[in-house]
Amino acid sequence: AQTVTQSQPEMSVQEAETVTLSCTYDTSENNYYLFWYKQPPSRQMILVIRQEAYKQQNATENRFSVNFQKAAKSFSLKISDSQLGDTAMYFCAFMTPYSGAGSYQLTFGKGTKLSVIP
Amino acid sequence: DAGITQSPRHKVTETGTPVTLRCHQTENHRYMYWYRQDPGHGLRLIHYSYGVKDTDKGEVSDGYSVSRSKTEDFLLTLESATSSQTSVYFCAISGGPPGELFFGEGSRLTVL
Repeated sequence: AQTVTQSQPEMSVQEAETVTLSCTYDTSENNYYLFWYKQPPSRQMILVIRQEAYKQQNATENRFSVNFQKAAKSFSLKISDSQLGDTAMYFCAFMTPYSGAGSYQLTFGKGTKLSVIP
Repeated sequence: DAGITQSPRHKVTETGTPVTLRCHQTENHRYMYWYRQDPGHGLRLIHYSYGVKDTDKGEVSDGYSVSRSKTEDFLLTLESATSSQTSVYFCAISGGPPGELFFGEGSRLTVL
């Protein structure tokens, strides 16, 4: 079974600064996908960024970027120029794209609560 | 925004009563999921569906059953609710890998 570990339950960052959230995972698979989801106080789950394991290039989406280290099974999220609206729970998630029915699942870490301080 | 709605959004019930949560999608997506979210546990998969009448168990399926008789609807049933099932329940849909999951707004269930 795959596991996802987020070792930082809570973090804080000053507005306009940069913060990195950590995520490690455990799998024996070679082909998989990794995601970061954001959950603001509104409770809505929002996809932040996605990384395919077969791609060596780290994914970026505006102020959000990842540091994907496949050998180390590490997938950290960097938020640059932090904004008050970035205050949220952030979840790392892992998925293996099996072709067989019933095997396509998304496993989440326990989350990191990020607070952006004015 | 993906067309996914959950009902009811809030419910308070008593121990031992049956409860059904409904997830409705307008995206014609194949995959549908039910997660529960609890403090310190993140989101845990209860059951999921990969087609009409095709469902399977997730990590925390005990005490829950599901049904999917139509592509657009995925029902989660607690046959006899317990206090340990007090939680926020999220439905999610996906068109398949490597697509993202789209989540509903969540249903807060309190079992007294």
